[in-house]
Amino acid sequence: GIQVEQSPPDLILQEGANSTLRCNFSDSVNNLQWFHQNPWGQLINLFYIPSGTKQNGRLSATTVATERYSLLYISSSQTTDSGVYFCAVEDTGGFKTIFGAGTRLFVKA
Amino acid sequence: DTAVSQTPKYLVTQMGNDKSIKCEQNLGHDTMYWYKQDSKKFLKIMFSYNNKELIINETVPNRFSPKSPDKAHLNLHINSLELGDSAVYFCASSEISGGVSSNEQFFGPGTRLTVL
Repeated sequence: GIQVEQSPPDLILQEGANSTLRCNFSDSVNNLQWFHQNPWGQLINLFYIPSGTKQNGRLSATTVATERYSLLYISSSQTTDSGVYFCAVEDTGGFKTIFGAGTRLFVKA
Repeated sequence: DTAVSQTPKYLVTQMGNDKSIKCEQNLGHDTMYWYKQDSKKFLKIMFSYNNKELIINETVPNRFSPKSPDKAHLNLHINSLELGDSAVYFCASSEISGGVSSNEQFFGPGTRLTVL
């Protein structure tokens, strides 16, 4: 099956710093999503991005499907950005979603 | 308006008991999922249903039985609960077009199950 690897596994930032999270996947996929799991456990949709680049405020994401990776950029980080960031891909069969292990982010005030 | 809702939010029970978790979505989606998140935060798909039909069963023990009475509901019944079933269970939904998922998945708030 498809393997999804996220890096780094853990990240500590000073408030205001920028960061890049990476997601590599081992095979062609139908789609790719980025989620933020906040400290209360809620899974929040950040981007649905099978290819290309999208921006939403301080966050942006780029997926290069032909090279099997996606990047999530966080600029001017805030303490509320803390949590776990997951990348999830759907296999070409269409119904199975595989999550990466996540990047645990802590933003210090 | 809650898009994907789950009940209960917390469930504490003894080993050997049988319990159910309910999920409802009001997004008009035709595909629903159950995921299990373990203590290390790893998320793994358990089941997916499309138009009330089981599509994916990811080698989940048959003590877990999903039931979809209609497209808006997917319930999870667990028999003979074991300590290892303790986890957070998430329900999700999406819209499938032409057999290929073309839209994003939306997740419920999760149900934290603790088996004592």
